Amino acid sequence: RKEVEQDPGPFNVPEGATVAFNCTYSNSASQSFFWYRQDCRKEPKLLMSVYSSGNEDGRFTAQLNRASQYISLLIRDSKLSDSATYLCVVRGAASGSARQLTFGSGTQLTVLP
Amino acid sequence: DVKVTQSSRYLVKRTGEKVFLECVQDMDHENMFWYRQDPGLGLRLIYFSYDVKMKEKGDIPEGYSVSREKKERFSLILESASTNQTSMYLCASSLRGRNSPLHFGNGTRLTVT
Repeated sequence: RKEVEQDPGPFNVPEGATVAFNCTYSNSASQSFFWYRQDCRKEPKLLMSVYSSGNEDGRFTAQLNRASQYISLLIRDSKLSDSATYLCVVRGAASGSARQLTFGSGTQLTVLP
Repeated sequence: DVKVTQSSRYLVKRTGEKVFLECVQDMDHENMFWYRQDPGLGLRLIYFSYDVKMKEKGDIPEGYSVSREKKERFSLILESASTNQTSMYLCASSLRGRNSPLHFGNGTRLTVT
């Protein structure tokens, strides 16, 4: 089983739709969680950190479910500009060790006009 | 805003050449990383550094070395480039804290012919 798993998609949704992605992780001691977006042939950019109580940034909502070991990203009222690959990143328990950073393989989203 | 700058956006090198990829960050981050990203394989950690002159191997260090003589600069060296090192190379930096996200440079697309 992969340490971090994402549905690769592609997700094709119409403009204005609500779309949700999940990301499961295998290490129950994981401490920190992030969502990044990556546009085609560009670098990943931090979208948002994921906090234990869940957090929202505009149209984006991130949730953490420690019991079931997954994080989720909800995008409301999707825009054409949301089309990208969304990467989840999980950091394990060992403080400061980059080895504990694990990237999902990404979920591709295309928002259609 | 964190700025991570990679010296070249595109590079074409010949097999056997020594290749230097340079990365500079301007936010006094302790940690710096080199990843490569290939289709279907996601982001893979080559090397990282948590302080000046300190380095640790990542998941795929073979064929690479690194240098961190100054805090702001982290160099990736391909001692003798090979065609299987054709890839997108991404540099990143972060603060030392466990909840600190990575900030990526805009990538270097290296082609080895």
